[in-house]
Amino acid sequence: SQKIEQNSEALNIQEGKTATLTCNYTNYSPAYLQWYRQDPGRGPVFLLLIRENEKEKRKERLKVTFDTTLKQSLFHITASQPADSATYLCALDLTGGGNKLTFGTGTQLKVEL
Amino acid sequence: SQTIHQWPATLVQPVGSPLSLECTVEGTSNPNLYWYRQAAGRGLQLLFYSVGIGQISSEVPQNLSASRPQDRQFILSSKKLLLSDSGFYLCAWSVEGSPRSYTFGSGTRLTVV
Repeated sequence: SQKIEQNSEALNIQEGKTATLTCNYTNYSPAYLQWYRQDPGRGPVFLLLIRENEKEKRKERLKVTFDTTLKQSLFHITASQPADSATYLCALDLTGGGNKLTFGTGTQLKVEL
Repeated sequence: SQTIHQWPATLVQPVGSPLSLECTVEGTSNPNLYWYRQAAGRGLQLLFYSVGIGQISSEVPQNLSASRPQDRQFILSSKKLLLSDSGFYLCAWSVEGSPRSYTFGSGTRLTVV
């Protein structure tokens, strides 16, 4: 069956370092992949979308890569700050129909002073 | 600008009682609408989605139902709640066209006791 896998263990890093989160998927070749941020008790907020023909996408301190051969996306936050602490979710349309996103379970990031 | 409203924010209901959660969207027409549930420590599970008035697709067999009586209104219901219905319920919308990012509401924390 199609799956989206994110590291369930929390990632703790020091302020100023680069955080790297991983999203792996199986048995599907999505046309695009999305990343969301979720704070406790809140709904997810859209951050970035990357298409299958894009190797890399940047937005301010955020960078996303998309390797369709490895079936993997990496999400980087450079010069991380305590305010970046949150859970980060990747999402794919596994049906190809464009109507529904399936989300990974998310990776919790904690940026420490 | 587009906004999404979801209420109530928290709800405690006894087993066997009915449920009605409402979601409304402003500032857009004919959105795709979604209900997700997030159990404690788990990922987002798509429950229902709708591409138009009266059009509901159910993703998982369960104790819940959804309705879309108006273009920008999406309602999640249950006739008799179960303990397993506890969770964080999120409504989301997206615009037609692919790819599309989702905008989530602030969520309803439901505790069935």
